[in-house]
Amino acid sequence: AQTVTQSQPEMSVQEAETVTLSCTYDTSESNYYLFWYKQPPSRQMILVIRQEAYKQQNATENRFSVNFQKAAKSFSLKISDSQLGDTAMYFCAFMTGSQGNLIFGKGTKLSVKP
Amino acid sequence: DTEVTQTPKHLVMGMTNKKSLKCEQHMGHRAMYWYKQKAKKPPELMFVYSYEKLSINESVPSRFSPECPNSSLLNLHLHALQPEDSALYLCASSQEARGGLEKLFFGSGTQLSVL
Repeated sequence: AQTVTQSQPEMSVQEAETVTLSCTYDTSESNYYLFWYKQPPSRQMILVIRQEAYKQQNATENRFSVNFQKAAKSFSLKISDSQLGDTAMYFCAFMTGSQGNLIFGKGTKLSVKP
Repeated sequence: DTEVTQTPKHLVMGMTNKKSLKCEQHMGHRAMYWYKQKAKKPPELMFVYSYEKLSINESVPSRFSPECPNSSLLNLHLHALQPEDSALYLCASSQEARGGLEKLFFGSGTQLSVL
């Protein structure tokens, strides 16, 4: 069975600083995908970044980047130049290549302070 | 239009009521999903529709009945719910149901309270 673990229930960061959210996962699959979703107070789940397991290069999307360590089964999210609008619950998620089931971690509540 | 629209935003119902949740997208997506999210928990998959056919049912009780009348519309019919069914119900869509190859677009959810 696949599991996703986020060990930081809550974090805070000052505006304009950098913060890293941790995620580890466990799977015996070789073909899978990893995601970071954010859920602001509006409750809509928004895809932040996506990583294919077969790609060694870490994904980046503007201020968001990941550190994907496949052997360690680690997938952390770095947010640079944090903005007040980044305040949200962040979920790490896993999906195999063929199934439509996103398996989420328990989430990290991030607060960006002015 | 990259929106998934869910109605109603809030719903309160008694245990004997019958109600329906509605989800609509106009992105031409052929896969649609229902997720359930309890307070302070991550979302959990309930159903997946692919080309208007139910492809995944994650052992959901029969008091939840999904329906996909066309490629743009997804309903969730509710009957004889229990208080523990109170949760945020999220709808999502993707181009197809190809697992991790797909980007899921989520709606803002329906907050359901069962009294």
